[in-house]
Amino acid sequence: AQKITQTQPGMFVQEKEAVTLDCTYDTSDQSYGLFWYKQPSSGEMIFLIYQGSYDEQNATEGRYSLNFQKARKSANLVISASQLGDSAMYFCAMRELSNFGNEKLTFGTGTRLTIIP
Amino acid sequence: NAGVMQNPRHLVRRRGQEARLRCSPMKGHSHVYWYRQLPEEGLKFMVYLQKENIIDESGMPKERFSAEFPKEGPSILRIQQVVRGDSAAYFCASSPTGGNEKLFFGSGTQLSVL
Repeated sequence: AQKITQTQPGMFVQEKEAVTLDCTYDTSDQSYGLFWYKQPSSGEMIFLIYQGSYDEQNATEGRYSLNFQKARKSANLVISASQLGDSAMYFCAMRELSNFGNEKLTFGTGTRLTIIP
Repeated sequence: NAGVMQNPRHLVRRRGQEARLRCSPMKGHSHVYWYRQLPEEGLKFMVYLQKENIIDESGMPKERFSAEFPKEGPSILRIQQVVRGDSAAYFCASSPTGGNEKLFFGSGTQLSVL
């Protein structure tokens, strides 16, 4: 079974600083995908960024970038120039293929990020 | 992701009652997933459906839980004879192709069992 590990239960970061949220994964598949989602206090799940295992470039989406280190099996999320609105739970997830041929996501336990003004 | 509509947003049930959670996928999406989030945990896969078919229900508890996605109308997650341990946030997600790269989540239904 695949596994996602997020070792930082909570982080406090000063506004405008960059922040790195850690994520390591464990899989024996050659083809896989890694996701980051943001969950604000209102509860919805907001897709941030996706990295495919065969993508040679690190994914970027605005202020979000994914530091993908395949050999180390890590997929850390970097948020540049943090803002107060970035305060939320952040989940790393990995796509896996089920025995039925469909895809499904396995999530980590999340990191609660708090931006300090 | 605002296109995936879940209702109700909050649902309160007493032990032993039935809970029905509804999910209308985004327009054009025929693939629906249900996930459950217990307090302070990540989401856990429950079931994957296509129109009129359950494809993968490996994450569903064996008893009391069922899901459907009829030809017409929303997908329904049904929990019979709810217990306190069923209290959680239930998220629906939809995809046009079944691929998770284009997976969009709804806002979730928070189920509270008294």
